[in-house]
Amino acid sequence: AQSVTQPDIHITVSEGASLELRCNYSYGATPYLFWYVQSPGQGLQLLLKYFSGDTLVQGIKGFEAEFKRSQSSFNLRKPSVHWSDAAEYFCAVGRGADGLTFGKGTHLIIQP
Amino acid sequence: KAGVTQTPRYLIKTRGQQVTLSCSPISGHRSVSWYQQTPGQGLQFLFEYFSETQRNKGNFPGRFSGRQFSNSRSEMNVSTLELGDSALYLCASSAPKTSGSADTQYFGPGTRLTVL
Repeated sequence: AQSVTQPDIHITVSEGASLELRCNYSYGATPYLFWYVQSPGQGLQLLLKYFSGDTLVQGIKGFEAEFKRSQSSFNLRKPSVHWSDAAEYFCAVGRGADGLTFGKGTHLIIQP
Repeated sequence: KAGVTQTPRYLIKTRGQQVTLSCSPISGHRSVSWYQQTPGQGLQFLFEYFSETQRNKGNFPGRFSGRQFSNSRSEMNVSTLELGDSALYLCASSAPKTSGSADTQYFGPGTRLTVL
């Protein structure tokens, strides 16, 4: 069965500091991987995705993620966070009609 | 291009009632998926429709059902509501190149259901 683990429930970083959110997955086939962001009371916005090819993918809002098959990881990074990045971040895996399997999410807090 | 729309945005029901939620996908998208989001269980897959056919279903009781119309709009229905059905219900649409391929899911704002 597929699964996604986001080890960090909460992360606090200072504005302007770098960020890395961890994601580990378990999936039987070649995974399709996603990062979504959710602001309070809102739906999910896609940040970036990995289907194949270059293992470093660029997304919106200055985010990037690196797929590491040997570590079953797809960590999200940003070199310098802004106060507007405070939100809940979800890593997901899935393909086709199987539906997405999501991690429990990481709540990002930005300190001024 | 307009995004995924969901109606209503908020809903309050009492135990034992039934409810119908609606989702309009992005124009041209033929796949619609539904998810339930709760603080305790997180985001869980309910079911997926493509060209009016349910292709997959998550681990939810039969009280949860859905359908898709010829214009790709989808509805989900929950009968005999329980307190535990209180959740944010999210709809996502995607445009798979073929019925067997994967694509990116774009989410709507959700319907917040409260069961009293």
